[in-house]
Amino acid sequence: NAGVTQTPKFRVLKTGQSMTLLCAQDMNHEYMYWYRQDPGMGLRLIHYSVGEGTTAKGEVPDGYNVSRLKKQNFLLGLESAAPSQTSVYFCASSYDTRTGTSGSNSYEQYFGPGTRLTVT
Amino acid sequence: GQSLEQPSEVTAVEGAIVQINCTYQTSGFYGLSWYQQHDGGAPTFLSYNALDGLEETGRFSSFLSRSDSYGYLLLQELQMKDSASYFCAVRGTGGGNKLTFGTGTQLKVEL
Repeated sequence: NAGVTQTPKFRVLKTGQSMTLLCAQDMNHEYMYWYRQDPGMGLRLIHYSVGEGTTAKGEVPDGYNVSRLKKQNFLLGLESAAPSQTSVYFCASSYDTRTGTSGSNSYEQYFGPGTRLTVT
Repeated sequence: GQSLEQPSEVTAVEGAIVQINCTYQTSGFYGLSWYQQHDGGAPTFLSYNALDGLEETGRFSSFLSRSDSYGYLLLQELQMKDSASYFCAVRGTGGGNKLTFGTGTQLKVEL
């Protein structure tokens, strides 16, 4: 099992350019998430999805769009990149906690290795 | 919404015990998680507390007091490899198993 994978690992964009970050998971998880991590600010939720075809806004959604066309993939798009979007982006996935759980590990979010994005 | 507070840095010596505290304010609370992150790495899950009390997993233990909106992570027999950032995170009641993370505590283990 590869777990959660992210593409690309690094990217440099110029202001105004667009790009898509791809997240894939092979654990058959219902829930998926996109976070950004900035120095001294921890992880902040951008968007999330509770199943194929669904998306919802998190804490910091402005400037980003997402799509979940297949259960195993969650895409994060930047339509017009800004320097304020320079950050490390993490994707995560987890079980559907509504269907009953056994043990605290059921609430675990599994993180990908991250994408380091610089916008100049 | 939620807000969490944890110390920014903690230093301890190898073999010692260290406690990282986390206080939270939240409009809806299901439980408190802890994650570890090494420099340049991804966060990895350590523990989850939904009920008051202590949960022990090897050298790591996590405690929760819902009435005090407080929790802590206890690391025993510290090793150099424990040098990392530790995040507490509230699992809220808004659905989706969403987490709100604290700003993290950087633990430095010295010889």
